[in-house]
Amino acid sequence: EIVLTQSPATLSLSPGERATLSCRASQSVINYLAWYQQKPGQAPRLLIYDASSRATGIPARFSGSGSGTDFTLTISSLEPEDFALYYCQQRMNWPITFGPGTKVDI
Amino acid sequence: EVQLVESGGGLIQPGGSLTLSCAASGFTFSANAMSWVRQAPGKGLEWVSTITDSGFRAYYADSVKGRFTISRDNSKNTLYLQMNSLRAEDTALYYCARVCYYGSGPKYYFDYWGQGTLVPVSS
Repeated sequence: EIVLTQSPATLSLSPGERATLSCRASQSVINYLAWYQQKPGQAPRLLIYDASSRATGIPARFSGSGSGTDFTLTISSLEPEDFALYYCQQRMNWPITFGPGTKVDI
Repeated sequence: EVQLVESGGGLIQPGGSLTLSCAASGFTFSANAMSWVRQAPGKGLEWVSTITDSGFRAYYADSVKGRFTISRDNSKNTLYLQMNSLRAEDTALYYCARVCYYGSGPKYYFDYWGQGTLVPVSS
């Protein structure tokens, strides 16, 4: 099983600041990695797939990068609605696995 | 508009069985692989199972293999999860999720999610 580790666990920032979230895989997932956003009481929302492609309707302030074992989600300028939990997910091998999440709060 | 509506959750005793359903609309259900993902209270996301578009192949997390069965009825646009021998650690909100198809073939990420159905396992 591929284990995903996310850091930091919590990121405390202010609106307008840049957020940089990290996801590290226990073995190479090539670029088969996605990022999701989840707000309290809501289902997750797909933001980024294949490491760097934005999903339909996702604002350009969200960007993904990385390959192999190290990946980054960047939010260029935080909007109030971006304060949420963020998960990474790999599809390289079965079982599909998620990281433990990074909370972005004020 | 894509909609996924789960049902069938509810309090169940350890060792019991339950079947979850997910009614899909707004897309060609038979053309998409589908999955179940769960989230224990206050915890992260855990993939449970995926079934291919035809229903020919299914994949399971080790934690549910042999106890849970995923299936689908493409004539009814409905996804199912039969859960047997339930344990306290199966307590979670169970989401139905559509596998996305950017480009050709399924990319096993999830682009649409239902709101979930809660399954508490407790005596």
